[in-house]
Amino acid sequence: EPEVTQTPSHQVTQMGQEVILRCVPISNHLYFYWYRQILGQKVEFLVSFYNNEISEKSEIFDDQFSVERPDGSNFTLKIRSTKLEDSAMYFCASSGLAGDFETQYFGPGTRLLVL
Amino acid sequence: GIQVEQSPPDLILQEGANSTLRCNFSDSVNNLQWFHQNPWGQLINLFYIPSGTKQNGRLSATTVATERYSLLYISSSQTTDSGVYFCAVERKSTGNQFYFGTGTSLTVIP
Repeated sequence: EPEVTQTPSHQVTQMGQEVILRCVPISNHLYFYWYRQILGQKVEFLVSFYNNEISEKSEIFDDQFSVERPDGSNFTLKIRSTKLEDSAMYFCASSGLAGDFETQYFGPGTRLLVL
Repeated sequence: GIQVEQSPPDLILQEGANSTLRCNFSDSVNNLQWFHQNPWGQLINLFYIPSGTKQNGRLSATTVATERYSLLYISSSQTTDSGVYFCAVERKSTGNQFYFGTGTSLTVIP
């Protein structure tokens, strides 16, 4: 069964550093998402991406965040200058395959720790 | 946004017992999914169920869209069922983002 993959699985960084989280969505999916989950809390939406542009973003997704689809397979989330409160699990998801259009499939997550 | 409430927040079961988890949502939705978050933090798709009933092995789910709730049934629970169960909903008029509930933390003891 096809799956969403994410790298790295864990990342530790110093406050103020830039991080790039990488995702490979399921092939032929049309919609891509990033969510985050602060430890012990619920999963929160960050941004959705369709047709090479952001289609929606939440209040969390401020100017420190950006997303990109640099080629036909990768989807990245960049945090420009990390803060302590950015420590969380970050999930990538994709959806939009014909016949199963609505279901969002989630990757295994990247656990980010900002020190 | 849409408010999503799950109950109970915590549940402890003896192996072999059955349970029902509930998800209430505040508005009509186009999409509802149930997820299991395992101890490693991975979100596993259980069901895509905006309405009706589905079954997959020991798990089944029912969504009554008109009454804005969904139920997840776990029968003959096993220790590997432990983890947090989330429901998430989507409404097209507010875009295609998911709104997640706060989850039910299930512990199955041998």
